[in-house]
Amino acid sequence: DSGVTQTPKHLITATGQRVTLRCSPRSGDLSVYWYQQSLDQGLQFLIQYYNGEERAKGNILERFSAQQFPDLHSELNLSSLELGDSALYFCASSEGGGGRVNIQYFGAGTRLSVL
Amino acid sequence: AQSVTQLGSHVSVSEGALVLLRCNYSSSVPPYLFWYVQYPNQGLQLLLKYTTGATLVKGINGFEAEFKKSETSFHLTKPSAHMSDAAEYFCAVSAPSGTYKYIFGTGTRLKVLA
Repeated sequence: DSGVTQTPKHLITATGQRVTLRCSPRSGDLSVYWYQQSLDQGLQFLIQYYNGEERAKGNILERFSAQQFPDLHSELNLSSLELGDSALYFCASSEGGGGRVNIQYFGAGTRLSVL
Repeated sequence: AQSVTQLGSHVSVSEGALVLLRCNYSSSVPPYLFWYVQYPNQGLQLLLKYTTGATLVKGINGFEAEFKKSETSFHLTKPSAHMSDAAEYFCAVSAPSGTYKYIFGTGTRLKVLA
C-alpha cells in the first residue's frame, strides 16, 4: 500500500459529461501529481500541485482542470468528455521541493471509460 | 528538456534466465532516474532509484540498475527471472530541481516463460 488513495476505482460515463477524480496523498506529502495512462500515449504527466499551488503543467487539455485543497487532497476535473479520454488516471504524491530526492508514490488509479 | 527511451516494448525470458530491460535518457542536467513496476490492475511501485553517488543501485525483488553517464543509460537487470516478475516496467527521469515531475518511458512488458 503506497498510502495514496484514489477514488473512485472505476468510472463509466457518457460523452459530453463531466467527472471528478479524487486523490488523497500520503500523510505529510505536499506535492500531488496527475498522470494519464492510455494505450496510445503511454504515461503522460498532466499537472502538479505543491502545497495548494499549481507547480507545473504537462500535456493537460483545456477541458481538464485540477486543484489542491487546504487539506492537501486533490481533485482532477474532466469535462466535455470524449471517447479518447478513456484511460487510467494516476495520482502520485511526494514530499515536494526543498532540494531533496523527490520519490513519487502512486495510487492505484481511476479507470475512466467514456461510452 | 528530458526524455526517456525504453528499447523493446515486449521482452520474453525463460524462468531462471537473466532479465535485461533497457533505458536510455536525455537530460541537460544530471538526472534522477527511477524504475517502476506495474502489475496488472495496480498502480506503479518503485523498484529502485539513482540520485547521486554509487552508480550501481539495488532495488527490491532482486533487481538492480547501473547508471552509465557516458552511455546515458540506466538498464535494469535481474540475474534470475521468476514467474512473479511478469509485469510492465517503466523507466523515468526527473530533474533534481524545479518541479520534480517525472518523464516516463513507454514501458516494457516482461513475460516470463516456464
